[in-house]
Amino acid sequence: KAGVTQTPRYLIKTRGQQVTLSCSPISGHRSVSWYQQTPGQGLQFLFEYFSETQRNKGNFPGRFSGRQFSNSRSEMNVSTLELGDSALYLCASSLERDAEAFFGQGTRLTVV
Amino acid sequence: DAKTTQPPSMDCAEGRAANLPCNHSTISGNEYVYWYRQIHSQGPQYIIHGLKNNETNEMASLIITEDRKSSTLILPHATLRDTAVYYCIVRVASGSRLTFGEGTQLTVNP
Repeated sequence: KAGVTQTPRYLIKTRGQQVTLSCSPISGHRSVSWYQQTPGQGLQFLFEYFSETQRNKGNFPGRFSGRQFSNSRSEMNVSTLELGDSALYLCASSLERDAEAFFGQGTRLTVV
Repeated sequence: DAKTTQPPSMDCAEGRAANLPCNHSTISGNEYVYWYRQIHSQGPQYIIHGLKNNETNEMASLIITEDRKSSTLILPHATLRDTAVYYCIVRVASGSRLTFGEGTQLTVNP
């Protein structure tokens, strides 16, 4: 069974631009969560989607948004990029909301 | 979610058991103990989880004290590939949000 797939793996963007990251969960998994990892703040929860609805949201500004499609695939978008948005963005999927989560390899975003 | 406390770093000799402690003294009755590990710049890897009974799988064993205020993750025969940051997380039964702390950097030495 294929794992969680995140695309692209690496991305370089300019300050002020926007970016969309993609996550394909493990087949059959219905819950997708996103995390941001930086050296200073560690791993922080961004949001969770289940059945195409955002169920939980972390403490991030409105520039960070996401969505989930009917096939459970998810995207997250960051608008008006700032240098501080440079991070490893991780997606995790789980069978149900309370099941163990499995992470993808992440998308490394660099904002210059 | 309850806060966890882990030592920042530990060393272990290859082939020996690695015992990683975690303190979660404010854990509630409906909160599970989860362990993940992260090898440098990769996504975290799920290891094991439990509520109150000890658990074992092909990767590790989880020992939870009777009062549930602490737990120990045991890697029975550590290899160099087990060098990673290990995170102990306490999570409510409903909802998928994981709150990561700083974890323990385990270094397995040859």
